[in-house]
Amino acid sequence: EAGVTQFPSHSVIEKGQTVTLRCDPISGHDNLYWYRRVMGKEIKFLLHFVKESKQDESGMPNNRFLAERTGGTYSTLKVQPAELEDSGVYFCASSVGDGGNSPLHFGNGTRLTVT
Amino acid sequence: GENVEQHPSTLSVQEGDSAVIKCTYSDSASNYFPWYKQELGKGPQLIIDIRSNVGEKKDQRIAVTLNKTAKHFSLHITETQPEDSAVYFCAASQGDMRFGAGTRLTVKP
Repeated sequence: EAGVTQFPSHSVIEKGQTVTLRCDPISGHDNLYWYRRVMGKEIKFLLHFVKESKQDESGMPNNRFLAERTGGTYSTLKVQPAELEDSGVYFCASSVGDGGNSPLHFGNGTRLTVT
Repeated sequence: GENVEQHPSTLSVQEGDSAVIKCTYSDSASNYFPWYKQELGKGPQLIIDIRSNVGEKKDQRIAVTLNKTAKHFSLHITETQPEDSAVYFCAASQGDMRFGAGTRLTVKP
């Protein structure tokens, strides 16, 4: 089966610009997660979709971040306007069951650099 | 919420030696403890997991131990090989999975 795919793999933007990250989960996985890792820190939870609904968005840093999963398939994460502290690697993961008790399948991540 | 601490942050061993990575967690309700390996340019990949009703689990050269009373769990890699070099993350979950900060393991040939 195809794994979780993320696009782009790298993005370099200037402060104040907008960036949209995309994630295609494994087909049939209802649960989709976004995480972020800043260099040397933990992989930090951002939000969790079950199908097209936001199950938990408690990790979203602020209202500059908007995640969508229309139709319950792929998901996008938009950052607008981007700030320097948004730099990091953004990971998407999917799971069959609730990822709280099921293995997560991660994509290769999008490395975002805001200059 | 859950807080996961992971140590050490870096670990260098000689090929053939053992490597041990330790994690502690704060939420006694956590019942699922996976370990992920991240190689350069790739996303984290699950290598082994353990649930709270088990104290130890082994898969070839990899083993994980769990002490629920002390709220800590460890990853043990025996007979390390250069291809074991990667960043390893522990995680704990009671519904929301939380990760440690990672351990960069280097196995020197």
